[in-house]
Amino acid sequence: EIVMTQSPATLSVSPGDRATLSCRASQSVSSNLAWYQQIPGQAPRLLIYDASTRATGIPARFSGSGSGTEFTVTISSLQSEDFAVYYCQQYNNWPRVTFGPGTKVDIK
Amino acid sequence: EVQLVQSGAEVKKPGESLRISCKGSGYSFSTYWIGWVRQMPGKGLEWMGVIYPDDSDTRYSPSFQGQVTISADKSITTAYLQWSSLKASDTAMYYCVRQVASEYYFDYWGQGTLVTVSS
Repeated sequence: EIVMTQSPATLSVSPGDRATLSCRASQSVSSNLAWYQQIPGQAPRLLIYDASTRATGIPARFSGSGSGTEFTVTISSLQSEDFAVYYCQQYNNWPRVTFGPGTKVDIK
Repeated sequence: EVQLVQSGAEVKKPGESLRISCKGSGYSFSTYWIGWVRQMPGKGLEWMGVIYPDDSDTRYSPSFQGQVTISADKSITTAYLQWSSLKASDTAMYYCVRQVASEYYFDYWGQGTLVTVSS
């Protein structure tokens, strides 16, 4: 099984600041990586797929990068609605897809 | 508009059986994989398995193989997640998800079904 790790576990950020979240795979997943955002009390939603492609309707302040085993998602200027938990997911090993444990972005 | 609408919250006792549902609309239900994701209280996301409604091809995560059954009825565009004997550790939110055709990420999520198992 491919194990996904995320860092940091919690990121405290002020509105308007830049946030960078990291995701690492235990073996190469090529660019087969997605990011999801989960606002408390809501279902997750797709943010980024294929490591760097924004999903429909996702604002340009979200950007993804990386390939192989190291990935990041950057939020260029945090808005109030961005405070949430972010999960990465690899799908290189379908059907054995795996999620990371999540990074919580909270208000500093 | 693509929608996945899940059945309502359930409260069950250990040992009871349960089937929850996920109705898809706004797209060709038969030709997209539908999956299920578990989220235990205060925890992260766990992929359970997927089904291709057109031919009922089903794949399970090793962690959930034998513990649950995934099925679908394409005539009513509905997928199901079923337990034959619930345990307290099955208490969780369960989400159905649509897997992008020919890709393997999830572009639409249901609203979730909370299952509580308690004596």
